[in-house]
Amino acid sequence: SYELTQPPSVSVSPGQTARITCSADALPKQYAYWYQQKPGQAPVLVIYKDSERPSGIPERFSGSSSGTTVTLTISGVQAEDEADYYCQSADSSGTWVFGGGTKLTVL
Amino acid sequence: QLQLQESGPGLVKSSETLSLTCTVSGGSISSSTYYWACIRQPPGKGLEWIGTIYYSGSTYYNPSLKSRVTISVDTSKNQFSLKLSSVTAADTAVYYCARAGGHNSVIGGAFDIWGQGTMVTVSS
Repeated sequence: SYELTQPPSVSVSPGQTARITCSADALPKQYAYWYQQKPGQAPVLVIYKDSERPSGIPERFSGSSSGTTVTLTISGVQAEDEADYYCQSADSSGTWVFGGGTKLTVL
Repeated sequence: QLQLQESGPGLVKSSETLSLTCTVSGGSISSSTYYWACIRQPPGKGLEWIGTIYYSGSTYYNPSLKSRVTISVDTSKNQFSLKLSSVTAADTAVYYCARAGGHNSVIGGAFDIWGQGTMVTVSS
């Protein structure tokens, strides 16, 4: 089955750049999507199709892809960005999958 | 603005069947552009995709849950429903409904709209 691997945690100081990676174990890589989840809330889509940003998502959120690894970059991290982040993909057989999640701590 | 609302019992006994209904408002479940999904999150853990349905009734299930899951759609009520049989404590989770992009969707296979989620506890 298709698996996505994320680091459990990332820490960054306010104003710095946070990078969260997500590695897929299958080739060719499908599109990846990123979600932000704050405690007690439903996830929010912040990046779709590797690097596209939905309306209403701040420009400091960006996504990139290289080989079978995608990266969520948050530039100029703010305290409000502290949250859990999940990557997600869907393979060609109609299976959706989430990564294990990364807790972003703003120091 | 399209919204999703989950409803169902908050407590289910072990070995019984968990039932959850997702109601779509502000839009049609019969859209050819989107699928409709059930996702869960055990306390303190990550997100797990359960399954997805198209308005025509086509379904896709997580292989790890496939033997216990049934997702159905009622286009007349603008609803879709989840049934998970033979539940155990491991099925205790917040259950979410979400809209998923389809083949020709601008958002690809993303879940772009989520319900608020409903906590379901399996008791012994």
